[in-house]
Amino acid sequence: GDSVTQMEGPVTLSEEAFLTINCTYTATGYPSLFWYVQYPGEGLQLLLKATKADDKGSNKGFEATYRKETTSFHLEKGSVQVSDSAVYFCALLRSNDYKLSFGAGTTVTVRA
Amino acid sequence: EPEVTQTPSHQVTQMGQEVILRCVPISNHLYFYWYRQILGQKVEFLVSFYNNEISEKSEIFDDQFSVERPDGSNFTLKIRSTKLEDSAMYFCASSEKWYGYTFGSGTRLTVV
Repeated sequence: GDSVTQMEGPVTLSEEAFLTINCTYTATGYPSLFWYVQYPGEGLQLLLKATKADDKGSNKGFEATYRKETTSFHLEKGSVQVSDSAVYFCALLRSNDYKLSFGAGTTVTVRA
Repeated sequence: EPEVTQTPSHQVTQMGQEVILRCVPISNHLYFYWYRQILGQKVEFLVSFYNNEISEKSEIFDDQFSVERPDGSNFTLKIRSTKLEDSAMYFCASSEKWYGYTFGSGTRLTVV
């Protein structure tokens, strides 16, 4: 079935470092792709999304581009802050129903 | 900004007891969902609900689980006889269309 695979963590970075979290997907049809973020003790928040090939989602300095040729949706941020410490989930929304499939999550810790 | 509200934020229950997790979706949304996240694991789809009936459910959603929209505003998840392995964070979500999920902040259920 449709699924996403994301880079395992945990990832520990220093402030102002470059962050990449890899995400690849397997799907029939043309899914929409999302990154969700879960800050400590909080729920899931939509970080960014892309609904078709070559779309770039961006928010809060994070970016991800929907690459159909490589079936990828890697998350990047050029200069992380301590406040970016969270768990990041890649997710796929199938075009034939309304179900989100999540990756396993990547824990990111940013040190001052 | 409209929110999905979940109550309680944390519930502790004895094994074998019934629990009801409550959610108030965004008022003009038509699609409702429950997901769960066992500690340290991925977020998993449980059930989707549309037009006052279940539209899809996962294999996790067995006869011990039920959902209801009793009064047009609340959306509840009932677990009839809780097991230790039901301990998880339960997320409610709603959407206006097939995209654009909004998640609540979750209910942490601990079965002892």
